[in-house]
Amino acid sequence: DVKVTQSSRYLVKRTGEKVFLECVQDMDHENMFWYRQDPGLGLRLIYFSYDVKMKEKGDIPEGYSVSREKKERFSLILESASTNQTSMYLCASSLGMVVYGYTFGSGTRLTVV
Amino acid sequence: EDQVTQSPEALRLQEGESSSLNCSYTVSGLRGLFWYRQDPGKGPEFLFTLYSAGEEKEKERLKATLTKKESFLHITAPKPEDSATYLCAAGKAAGNKLTFGGGTRVLVKP
Repeated sequence: DVKVTQSSRYLVKRTGEKVFLECVQDMDHENMFWYRQDPGLGLRLIYFSYDVKMKEKGDIPEGYSVSREKKERFSLILESASTNQTSMYLCASSLGMVVYGYTFGSGTRLTVV
Repeated sequence: EDQVTQSPEALRLQEGESSSLNCSYTVSGLRGLFWYRQDPGKGPEFLFTLYSAGEEKEKERLKATLTKKESFLHITAPKPEDSATYLCAAGKAAGNKLTFGGGTRVLVKP
């Protein structure tokens, strides 16, 4: 089974801190995605990557950046954390074609105080 | 613009009371319709993929069906452990992203 591992289940950070969320997948998937999930707003795509060093903005990229130096690892960076970035962050990966769907990690609950 | 809409937003059921969740989509060139289950505080877990109208898939008390405009997730004789949020998502021929619906929160009371 494909495994997508997010480095932290819970994180508490202070306003203004630089925050790194890490995601690793173990099945050689080309595509990796970062979503945030908020009550009433559903899943919103922040960034995705379809290859090493390639990235594309999703629907809500402001305040975030990403890094994909190796195929298996996709990092989400909050340059200067703000309280409105308190959320559940979900990483997902997939094979090249969308018909294979996504495999999700277990999520990181980030609280910015 | 591609859209996926789920209804109802929330569903309260008595144990054993069967019901259906709806997922309507407007996606040109649908290649796959996906159902996920999400427990509180966890990531979504894959349930089914449907590829063409008329297709049906089953897993325990869950059955997913697909038409040209919508998909249904039928829950037969639910148990409290079926309580979760159910998400549907559509993937189309062009591109490698899924479009997600807002989810249906299901609560099954004993």
